[in-house]
Amino acid sequence: SAVISQKPSRDICQRGTSLTIQCQVDSQVTMMFWYRQQPGQSLTLIATANQGSEATYESGFVIDKFPISRPNLTFSTLTVSNMSPEDSSIYLCSVAQGDQETQYFGPGTRLLVL
Amino acid sequence: QQQVKQSPQSLIVQKGGISIINCAYENTAFDYFPWYQQFPGKGPALLIAIRPDVSEKKEGRFTISFNKSAKQFSLHIMDSQPGDSATYFCAATGGGADGLTFGKGTHLIIQP
Repeated sequence: SAVISQKPSRDICQRGTSLTIQCQVDSQVTMMFWYRQQPGQSLTLIATANQGSEATYESGFVIDKFPISRPNLTFSTLTVSNMSPEDSSIYLCSVAQGDQETQYFGPGTRLLVL
Repeated sequence: QQQVKQSPQSLIVQKGGISIINCAYENTAFDYFPWYQQFPGKGPALLIAIRPDVSEKKEGRFTISFNKSAKQFSLHIMDSQPGDSATYFCAATGGGADGLTFGKGTHLIIQP
């Protein structure tokens, strides 16, 4: 399976600011995904990020709030914009490999907004 | 509307016992059902996955049972060990580009 790293691993931010989270994969992958996991909760898909096309956002998530870049087949970024305490969550990237349905997750970025 | 319902929310099992976690889905377009294990401070790790064309899949101490007509699937952990204590998530997808829909998770504690 792919080795996935995320930066930063955690951060504490002030409300109204923005944070960009990086996801790096050790092999080329077509599909990358961003998920949010609120404290003690399950994972919710934010968007699908495929190289060469605009990210596809799930209901309840918008590009102005969560802009995503996918400049190549090994890298993606998620920005959490104009943050509020409700944005305090773990943000995880994942990649699809093999049959394109098997997903592997990065370690996550733990965000606390004060 | 939650598309994957998972139970129980928490589970305590004695060491050596069988841990059973159940999931039910509503979307008949789902055709791939993975289970993930998550330890505190870590990302989810893929445990085992199944497709609807088989009723059971076993990998080591982990077994998925799948009932297509009932739209239910379950994870069985045989000979449960304290190191299995973690949160387990079932998930489902109808295709790679769709992403995964997760259950709410089960917090499993294996008592020594």
